Amino acid sequence: DTGVSQDPRHKITKRGQNVTFRCDPISEHNRLYWYRQTLGQGPEFLTYFQNEAQLEKSRLLSDRFSAERPKGSFSTLEIQRTEQGDSAMYLCASSLDGGPLYEQYFGPGTRLTVT
Amino acid sequence: DAKTTQPPSMDCAEGRAANLPCNHSTISGNEYVYWYRQIHSQGPQYIIHGLKNNETNEMASLIITEDRKSSTLILPHATLRDTAVYYCIVRVGGSQGNLIFGKGTKLSVKP
Repeated sequence: DTGVSQDPRHKITKRGQNVTFRCDPISEHNRLYWYRQTLGQGPEFLTYFQNEAQLEKSRLLSDRFSAERPKGSFSTLEIQRTEQGDSAMYLCASSLDGGPLYEQYFGPGTRLTVT
Repeated sequence: DAKTTQPPSMDCAEGRAANLPCNHSTISGNEYVYWYRQIHSQGPQYIIHGLKNNETNEMASLIITEDRKSSTLILPHATLRDTAVYYCIVRVGGSQGNLIFGKGTKLSVKP
């Protein structure tokens, strides 16, 4: 399967701990997006990369959140000093530059539970 | 300020056509209509998009009214595996196309 993969699929952590999630996009896709989804809601945009450059960040991305995409391949999303409100599904998506701009391919998500 | 209105839930009998409506009365002339779906515990999946003309692919058909104020996603022969939340999207954010999702329609296909 050459789709978008995310690791881990589930993460349970205690409030105050740091967590890091990984996303591996489809190999030829240079655009990479992170979204957050809470129960009963649609996904909300967090940040966007084109290759290794982080070009856009949502106001939802507080100072405790940081994302990287070294070498324009996989991406990581780190949450420092987690809070219970960070509990959500974190989704990664990728798309191809030059392709239909809004045809994004999503991974299965990482479900974070902060206790 | 939602740009789309969708019913929160719908039922459909297996094997029948599922017609999912979406109102987007404030759509701009250059805004596309996109449909995604999200099966339980999975990431959203792109289905189809259109601007003015009706579109069809292997998954579904998209019918857009002439005034573009509403559209209908049609799954011609719904199966149990089509049970999912369906999102109609006309708004994209920023300059790079991050999708802006609403709450969608929960479609339940029943045997």
